[in-house]
Amino acid sequence: GESVGLHLPTLSVQEGDNSIINCAYSNSASDYFIWYKQESGKGPQFIIDIRSNMDKRQGQRVTVLLNKTVKHLSLQIAATQPGDSAVYFCAEKELGGYNKLIFGAGTRLAVHP
Amino acid sequence: DTEVTQTPKHLVMGMTNKKSLKCEQHMGHRAMYWYKQKAKKPPELMFVYSYEKLSINESVPSRFSPECPNSSLLNLHLHALQPEDSALYLCASSQADSQGRREAFFGQGTRLTVV
Repeated sequence: GESVGLHLPTLSVQEGDNSIINCAYSNSASDYFIWYKQESGKGPQFIIDIRSNMDKRQGQRVTVLLNKTVKHLSLQIAATQPGDSAVYFCAEKELGGYNKLIFGAGTRLAVHP
Repeated sequence: DTEVTQTPKHLVMGMTNKKSLKCEQHMGHRAMYWYKQKAKKPPELMFVYSYEKLSINESVPSRFSPECPNSSLLNLHLHALQPEDSALYLCASSQADSQGRREAFFGQGTRLTVV
């Protein structure tokens, strides 16, 4: 289940289940979106990206969905594994926005055996 | 090579010290970034260099001074910092805006503690 409080929202899932992590963005001019994974003590690691002219993109075990109407992005992870436990951030960038990449709040994914 | 290298990994400095953080990439990226990240928070953009010129300064205090000596290197000079500046400082690079895919690659960060 998902919990929101003073700390990062946390999504707890069982190993082998599918995970869905959500992100709301605010800038209507954003045209490029990235999902990053950050493990403790490390820098963010690129997972998958999507341009605003697409509504879905698939990678290996991951799918990103983009709904521009409601400014919502989601990351789906299939068959979640313990190694997927990390904090996940969405990030957005405007076309012609001087390379300004802005991060969303983040969600902690906790995978239980 | 998709690596962004940051040095040092850890830094402890006093409020009167002057120190520098360094970042290097050899991917031919012409956009380089500094972010600050506090615990349990997202990375917060500080500066962006595009083609070695400062293109974005997110109202960062002048005690942080960025420098981009060439297309592969990015420095962050620190002077008269405050304890609340303690954080993880992340460097990233990407292709500049007009060159297709624009994902940013991040270094492992410098964990800065101001005492």
